[in-house]
Amino acid sequence: DAGVIQSPRHEVTEMGQEVTLRCKPISGHDYLFWYRQTMMRGLELLIYFNNNVPIDDSGMPEDRFSAKMPNASFSTLKIQPSEPRDSAVYFCASSWESYTGELFFGEGSRLTVL
Amino acid sequence: SQQGEEDPQALSIQEGENATMNCSYKTSINNLQWYRQNSGRGLVHLILIRSNEREKHSGRLRVTLDTSKKSSSLLITASRAADTASYFCAPISNAGGTSYGKLTFGQGTILTVHP
Repeated sequence: DAGVIQSPRHEVTEMGQEVTLRCKPISGHDYLFWYRQTMMRGLELLIYFNNNVPIDDSGMPEDRFSAKMPNASFSTLKIQPSEPRDSAVYFCASSWESYTGELFFGEGSRLTVL
Repeated sequence: SQQGEEDPQALSIQEGENATMNCSYKTSINNLQWYRQNSGRGLVHLILIRSNEREKHSGRLRVTLDTSKKSSSLLITASRAADTASYFCAPISNAGGTSYGKLTFGQGTILTVHP
């Protein structure tokens, strides 16, 4: 399996622009997670899905952030409008429905908002 | 969910030495996982220890769990320069009767192994 695939790997945009990050989880995994990592705040859980349904979005910072999972093989995280403080590395991770809950992470999308 | 707190924040050792990192958590758990993150990469799962286990080995990794003290340790023996990375623990609780708990992470321990 190719693992969790994220795109783009790097994104540089200007404040106010819309940003869409994409994730393809590992086939057969029922859980999908979006994390954000910054030096100041560490690794933050933004939202997670189970069987394409959002279960917990309490970590989404504000209404400018939205996430969707239209099918089992694709998820998006959208920021509109983007702000400089959104600059971070965004990780997608997936897991199968299991007691162990081992996560498989993608390589991340590094976002820079100027 | 709960997050673990790793200690120390940073650890610098020479190649060949052992590295020990600790993790503390607050409430009862079902299992605890350790992850590694190389610079600029995603996290990689290293090992999982269940609440009824006290020690587990995987290659040069040894993990212990003390549920009475709500703590775990990760020992890397005979460290190599390639072990240079950040290490995170993730305690897992069975939340609300579901079979899965959210994984949240602390700030991690930054390990530097000098050749």
